[in-house]
This record gives sequence, structure tokens and C-alpha cells, in this order.
Amino acid sequence: NAGVTQTPKFQVLKTGQSMTLQCAQDMNHEYMSWYRQDPGMGLRLIHYSVGAGITDQGEVPNGYNVSRSTTEDFPLRLLSAAPSQTSVYFCASSRLAGSLTDTQYFGPGTRLTVL
Amino acid sequence: KQEVTQIPAALSVPEGENLVLNCSFTDSAIYNLQWFRQDPGKGLTSLLLIQSSQREQTSGRLNASLDKSSGRSTLYIAASQPGDSATYLCAVRRGSQGNLIFGKGTKLSVKP
Repeated sequence: NAGVTQTPKFQVLKTGQSMTLQCAQDMNHEYMSWYRQDPGMGLRLIHYSVGAGITDQGEVPNGYNVSRSTTEDFPLRLLSAAPSQTSVYFCASSRLAGSLTDTQYFGPGTRLTVL
Repeated sequence: KQEVTQIPAALSVPEGENLVLNCSFTDSAIYNLQWFRQDPGKGLTSLLLIQSSQREQTSGRLNASLDKSSGRSTLYIAASQPGDSATYLCAVRRGSQGNLIFGKGTKLSVKP
């Protein structure tokens, strides 16, 4: 299994540009999520999904859109990039949304810089 | 609102020492608590998961404890090695949706 994969690894955008961060998992996990990690702030939840066709907002959703058309993929879209979105983005997945014992698996991250 | 705090923010120890990392949370109504390791420029790797009904979990030289009533967890690392150098993150899961609330981490440096 490849686990959780993210592309690209690095990206530089100009203010106002849009882009999609890709996330895929091959473990048939129901739950997938996006976090951003900023110095001094820790990891914060952006959006999450408990299954195909179901998404919801996390702690910091503004400026981001998600969709979940398949179990495997959970892309994160930046509609109009802003310097405040400069961050490292992590995608995570776990087996069952309602399980007490599910471990979350994280991707390697995408380092995004918005100029 | 659930808040997770990790103390200390950074720790430097000589190789071979036993050490304890601390994690506290404000709301005791948690599903489980996970400890992660993050190497520089890398993703997070799950080390231990403690269910809300459990008191501790062990994996090799690592032992994590959970005291829900006091809102505390500790990660004990025995006989530390330079390869243990990394940032250690504590995260609590507060509900059935699976969302995690993270602490800011403890950056550990083990000197040879």
C-alpha cells in the first residue's frame, strides 16, 4: 500500500491564483481530512469527510473548498490564494469515522507559498 | 472549546536518559488520544493511541498514559537515542467524526 499520497510536494503561487492540492489513499478509509500547520499554531483542521459525497467544515475553512466523489480521493481547492494561506498542508485518513481505535494516517505534506 | 497544551515546547537531553513529555487537555470528554512523531519536513507518524477507557499503552521503549479526569497524558521514552530526535505531537479526538485537536508539540533533541 502507498498509504496517503499528496501532490505536489512544493508549490509557489501568486496572490489571486487558484490551485488544487491532491490527496489520495489506497486503504479504503472512510474518513479523510485536511489540516494546515503553521509555526506557533500547531495543526488546524480545514475540512473533513466521513465518506464519498459527504464533507464538512473544520476550524479554518474560509478560502478552501473540498469535494469527495470517490472513497480514494479528497482534493483541496484554493479559490483565490492569499499570503495568509502560506502553510504546510497535510491530508489524513482513518478506517472508520466512528471507531474508537482508528489510527489516523498522514500524508507527507504540501508546502505552499503564496507571494 | 477543547484546547491541548504540550509542555515543554523544547527539550534537550543526553543519550540514554529516560524522559517524559506532557500533554494536557481542557475537556475530559474525549474519544481517544494519540501521540505522533514528526521529523523535519515530513508528515506525522502515529506512535500510540489510547482509547478513552484505557489508562496506558506501550510500544517498545514508548509508554503513554492517560488520566481523563485530570485531563493529562504523558509520553515516556526509555533509554533515549539520537534517532528519537523529532517533534512529538499530542492530539485528542473529541467526537465520533474523527477530527483531532492538536497540541503545538514538543521538539526533542537527544545528544550523542
